[in-house]
Amino acid sequence: NAGVTQTPKFQVLKTGQSMTLQCAQDMNHEYMSWYRQDPGMGLRLIHYSVGAGITDQGEVPNGYNVSRSTTEDFPLRLLSAAPSQTSVYFCASSYSRFSSAGELFFGEGSRLTVL
Amino acid sequence: EDKVVQSPLSLVVHEGDTVTLNCSYEVTNFRSLLWYKQEKKAPTFLFMLTSSGIEKKSGRLSSILDKKELFSILNITATQTGDSAIYLCAGGSYNTDKLIFGTGTRLQVFP
Repeated sequence: NAGVTQTPKFQVLKTGQSMTLQCAQDMNHEYMSWYRQDPGMGLRLIHYSVGAGITDQGEVPNGYNVSRSTTEDFPLRLLSAAPSQTSVYFCASSYSRFSSAGELFFGEGSRLTVL
Repeated sequence: EDKVVQSPLSLVVHEGDTVTLNCSYEVTNFRSLLWYKQEKKAPTFLFMLTSSGIEKKSGRLSSILDKKELFSILNITATQTGDSAIYLCAGGSYNTDKLIFGTGTRLQVFP
């Protein structure tokens, strides 16, 4: 099983550029989410989804958009990249619609640098 | 505001030592406390705790939750170099679909 797959693994952007981080899971999980991880800050939730067509904001949603048109895919869009968005991004999914009710399965991360 | 605090931030030990990692939480309508291990890439799940005083164990790792004092500990006995990682804990609430993560404890085990 592939689990949670994120692409790309590495990306360098210039300020103002846009891009999409892709996330796909093959476990038929209802819950999907995006986190960013910065030194000394831990994992912070950006956006999450409890099913196709349903998305909601996390702790740090500004500058990011998401959509969930299928159960499998949950792309994260940066509309106009800023240096403050330099980070490692993780996509995670769970069989339960409540992330607090069970294990999160994480992708391997996408390291984004904004110059 | 909900928060999760881990201590120590960093720990350096020798192989064979026993370590205790701490996680305190303030989570409204608390549901669960989860522990993850992060080596080079993705965090991987260790334990989920929902009841006070019931130890969860997996090999040399064990964890327990105290819902009265609002903390959890993760114990690792007879540490090995392969235990070197960042250990994350996260609190979950019945109120929301969000997990609140602590900043992690970086454990380094030297031979």
